[in-house]
Amino acid sequence: GAGVSQSPSNKVTEKGKDVELRCDPISGHTALYWYRQRLGQGLEFLIYFQGNSAPDKSGLPSDRFSAERTGESVSTLTIQRTQQEDSAVYLCASSLELAGADTQYFGPGTRLTVL
Amino acid sequence: QKEVEQNSGPLSVPEGAIASLNCTYSDRGSQSFFWYRQYSGKSPELIMFIYSNGDKEDGRFTAQLNKASQYVSLLIRDSQPSDSATYLCAVSSAGGFKTIFGAGTRLFVKA
Repeated sequence: GAGVSQSPSNKVTEKGKDVELRCDPISGHTALYWYRQRLGQGLEFLIYFQGNSAPDKSGLPSDRFSAERTGESVSTLTIQRTQQEDSAVYLCASSLELAGADTQYFGPGTRLTVL
Repeated sequence: QKEVEQNSGPLSVPEGAIASLNCTYSDRGSQSFFWYRQYSGKSPELIMFIYSNGDKEDGRFTAQLNKASQYVSLLIRDSQPSDSATYLCAVSSAGGFKTIFGAGTRLFVKA
């Protein structure tokens, strides 16, 4: 079956503009994660969605960042008033919500460049 | 203290040698432990997961878990140049819902 897909693959924007990143998880995966990865750095957790539960937003770095998910499908990550430090690869991952089997499958990422 | 710590490396080993990658974690309630491999410019992909103390082997890879010491490692036997990548350790709490990733260890296998 299809894997996790993300769009766009690359996004170049000007400082101060808003951007919206999209993630399509694997069908049937109830859990969805967003991460940020700056160049040469590890994965920084942003937000986690699990079914109909309230999302875990503890990783969002500021109120300029928000995310939504429609049911158990598509998710969008929105960054308002982008700053140069927002430049990074934004990775989405999905997983089956099985206790102790939280293997995450990653999408190809969106490379965001803020000029 | 970071929740999941790894030596950033780079770790350099000759082809055919054993590469040993280490990871420590701070949450004693952690239940699930994962190793992901990330090639440059690519997304992470799962290599192995381990839940119980001891060793788990899969081909050339062996994961080792010691919950008392809050330590998990990955051994790669007969290292190949194609194993050159960044290896990410990831730890999940009970229920496996929120996974914390380490910063990764860069491995270079010299031909």
